[in-house]
Amino acid sequence: DGGITQSPKYLFRKEGQNVTLSCEQNLNHDAMYWYRQDPGQGLRLIYYSQIVNDFQKGDIAEGYSVSREKKESFPLTVTSAQKNPTAFYLCASSIGSFALNEQFFGPGTRLTVL
Amino acid sequence: KQEVTQIPAALSVPEGENLVLNCSFTDSAIYNLQWFRQDPGKGLTSLLLIQSSQREQTSGRLNASLDKSSGRSTLYIAASQPGDSATYLCAGLSGSARQLTFGSGTQLTVLP
Repeated sequence: DGGITQSPKYLFRKEGQNVTLSCEQNLNHDAMYWYRQDPGQGLRLIYYSQIVNDFQKGDIAEGYSVSREKKESFPLTVTSAQKNPTAFYLCASSIGSFALNEQFFGPGTRLTVL
Repeated sequence: KQEVTQIPAALSVPEGENLVLNCSFTDSAIYNLQWFRQDPGKGLTSLLLIQSSQREQTSGRLNASLDKSSGRSTLYIAASQPGDSATYLCAGLSGSARQLTFGSGTQLTVLP
């Protein structure tokens, strides 16, 4: 089955720790995205990548980092510099550029800072 | 900067009713608009994508329309069922931002 997988489903972090969220897709999509969702709010873009070894900041990139070494994988690291990291994190992918193509989403990772 | 608004935030209807969900946006230079469904604690499921050159898209009991001049999109759900209960989000792609801007969603409850 083709799709997007995210792991873990739930993640708990102590203050001051970095954590990495995994996102893998087997859809052969070029573009991948990371969003953050807070209760009662829409999604906000953290980072996106339209091609391997290239990525761009979204609206709320501060305190986050990403890498895109393989087409299939786009891990997100939440660093200790992120002031309020508790949220639901969603990864998405699309065939090509933003303009023309549907975005498909993974099941999400819920991060809680203790 | 594109802003996307969905009103109401929550809606309850009896089973079998036809209903319309609303989405408004501020930047009429929109490339496309996408409707999603989100079940509690889950990711988003893409429902319909309308390109700027299109006026509507249909999939089963769902029909989405796009009116760029008025800055509005609607999602029509026919013969609603309890299984349609979820949060529905719309997101627009505008040329200036080159990224999707999401509304905060409408939480739909279909009562048996």
